[in-house]
Amino acid sequence: QKEVEQNSGPLSVPEGAIASLNCTYSDRGSQSFFWYRQYSGKSPELIMFIYSNGDKEDGRFTAQLNKASQYVSLLIRDSQPSDSATYLCAVRIWNQGGKLIFGQGTELSVKP
Amino acid sequence: GAVVSQHPSRVICKSGTSVKIECRSLDFQATTMFWYRQFPKQSLMLMATSNEGSKATYEQGVEKDKFLINHASLTLSTLTVTSAHPEDSSFYICSARVTSGEKYNEQFFGPGTRLTVL
Repeated sequence: QKEVEQNSGPLSVPEGAIASLNCTYSDRGSQSFFWYRQYSGKSPELIMFIYSNGDKEDGRFTAQLNKASQYVSLLIRDSQPSDSATYLCAVRIWNQGGKLIFGQGTELSVKP
Repeated sequence: GAVVSQHPSRVICKSGTSVKIECRSLDFQATTMFWYRQFPKQSLMLMATSNEGSKATYEQGVEKDKFLINHASLTLSTLTVTSAHPEDSSFYICSARVTSGEKYNEQFFGPGTRLTVL
């Protein structure tokens, strides 16, 4: 089992809709969870992070964490064509030197 | 704040040569930096964790003698790909973790270096 798993997609949503991206992780020692966006040919950029169970909102983005289910998600409201990118879920495992372990990424396509 | 730069952004070299990639944290000190490699349509694979003033920690399967890492200061880490071969062609991305201040524990990525070995 991979440490961090995401559906590779592509996930296609119409402009203005809510895009829902999901991620599961295997290590219960995981403590910090990150969502990055990566455009083709570019490096990842941090969207947001979450440490505690529940929801965390930042603008159009909401991260949701459920440690009991080992599940973290990212919701993008009012999706725009410029949101089309690959979204990477990453988990920080402190007993492994604090390194980030990435999922394979979900490709999102927002259609005008 | 929390800007990470990489140099060069793109390099093309002949097989057998060595290539050095620099990673700098521009506006913060980074005791820990990370080096990743990404092949087309794949996710980021961690190669090694670079700690200032000490030896890097390499991930399983990564040859430490081939991928030399030096983290001599709090703002600079270098990755040298020695005797590069075509299979080393990839997108190399460094990352630095913020260890103090407002963005404590967040991790930011450099723009990446695309290496092509002929």
